[in-house]
Amino acid sequence: NAGVMQNPRHLVRRRGQEARLRCSPMKGHSHVYWYRQLPEEGLKFMVYLQKENIIDESGMPKERFSAEFPKEGPSILRIQQVVRGDSAAYFCASSSQTAKNTGELFFGEGSRLTVL
Amino acid sequence: EDQVTQSPEALRLQEGESSSLNCSYTVSGLRGLFWYRQDPGKGPEFLFTLYSAGEEKEKERLKATLTKKESFLHITAPKPEDSATYLCAVQERTGGFKTIFGAGTRLFVKA
Repeated sequence: NAGVMQNPRHLVRRRGQEARLRCSPMKGHSHVYWYRQLPEEGLKFMVYLQKENIIDESGMPKERFSAEFPKEGPSILRIQQVVRGDSAAYFCASSSQTAKNTGELFFGEGSRLTVL
Repeated sequence: EDQVTQSPEALRLQEGESSSLNCSYTVSGLRGLFWYRQDPGKGPEFLFTLYSAGEEKEKERLKATLTKKESFLHITAPKPEDSATYLCAVQERTGGFKTIFGAGTRLFVKA
């Protein structure tokens, strides 16, 4: 049973380019969460999605950032016109309907974005 | 305003030297408190969920406890393979299902 799959694992972009990070949740999971982690800091919540719906995007910057979780295919976190401050590790987590209540999140290995 | 504060930031132990990690939280109503382990370059791995004051959970050398304001992760006779960052997180009753993480405690266990 494959875990949460994120790709790419490492991504290098120049300022002003776009970054697209993909996340395939665990089989049977319909809830996806994106977190950002800066060096020596904790995980910061960005967005919570269910299939075709954004449930909570309170942690996501209003500009340049967007997320989607289509009916078919992976969830995508998109960062437009990247700046150096966007450099971080972006983690995706998924949960099942019942685990949503227990708080158990299954995390991917993360995508590390470096903006030059 | 920090809702989850972990201490110490880093902890160095000798193998077999038991200790505790602290997590204090300030939320209006707690739905659940969670502990995760994160190894370098990896995603966090779920350890425990605690729901109410007085509750305890155990897994191998780890035991998590919860009071109304804080949680402790007790590590008994640690081994080098217990070296990792331990993350505490909470969900508020009124916060939807957003999980809020602390900055973590980096644990180093020397053989």
